[in-house]
Amino acid sequence: QQQVKQSPQSLIVQKGGISIINCAYENTAFDYFPWYQQFPGKGPALLIAIRPDVSEKKEGRFTISFNKSAKQFSLHIMDSQPGDSATYFCAAMRDMRFGAGTRLTVKP
Amino acid sequence: DVKVTQSSRYLVKRTGEKVFLECVQDMDHENMFWYRQDPGLGLRLIYFSYDVKMKEKGDIPEGYSVSREKKERFSLILESASTNQTSMYLCASSLNRGAVKLFFGSGTQLSVL
Repeated sequence: QQQVKQSPQSLIVQKGGISIINCAYENTAFDYFPWYQQFPGKGPALLIAIRPDVSEKKEGRFTISFNKSAKQFSLHIMDSQPGDSATYFCAAMRDMRFGAGTRLTVKP
Repeated sequence: DVKVTQSSRYLVKRTGEKVFLECVQDMDHENMFWYRQDPGLGLRLIYFSYDVKMKEKGDIPEGYSVSREKKERFSLILESASTNQTSMYLCASSLNRGAVKLFFGSGTQLSVL
């Protein structure tokens, strides 16, 4: 049973477009919501994270939007680039539970 | 930078064998985790540990056990390997209980025949 539900499973975006990945959770004990990025053959690496008392956090082209009442959060990648092609995982702390992952392909 | 080392990149075992997956971190982190990664299922938490000799069950502990006798080493044990345990296994560590940044190893691809 996945404690964090992630969609879509895969996403294809043209270069320069916006990539949007969504996640939802049920456990209100979760207190920090990170996103991880994984390239083939590598372990996941922290990309950006948000606390539930903040509605949005932006780092460069990456933005997390957080809706506490709906228990949903999303990752937006602006001006998507081929180098962003990877698998993205949302997660929720405590004890770091991950979503099922989204394989993003950015076409040149 | 933190290094998390998993003992094997690829491993092939027979059904019923006892399998040990070793993980070592070099930054004195308190927390260590074991996940398995399967297509379409993402990263599922098997076991984790917040301190030496301490362990907590994750979401899918059945068929697995762990050992943490030293702070830097966290071992995952498959007591009697089965084909449905064929998977990529990822070890991770983090500084302490409140840390959001996990450092992952490169993974062990285990095939059980």
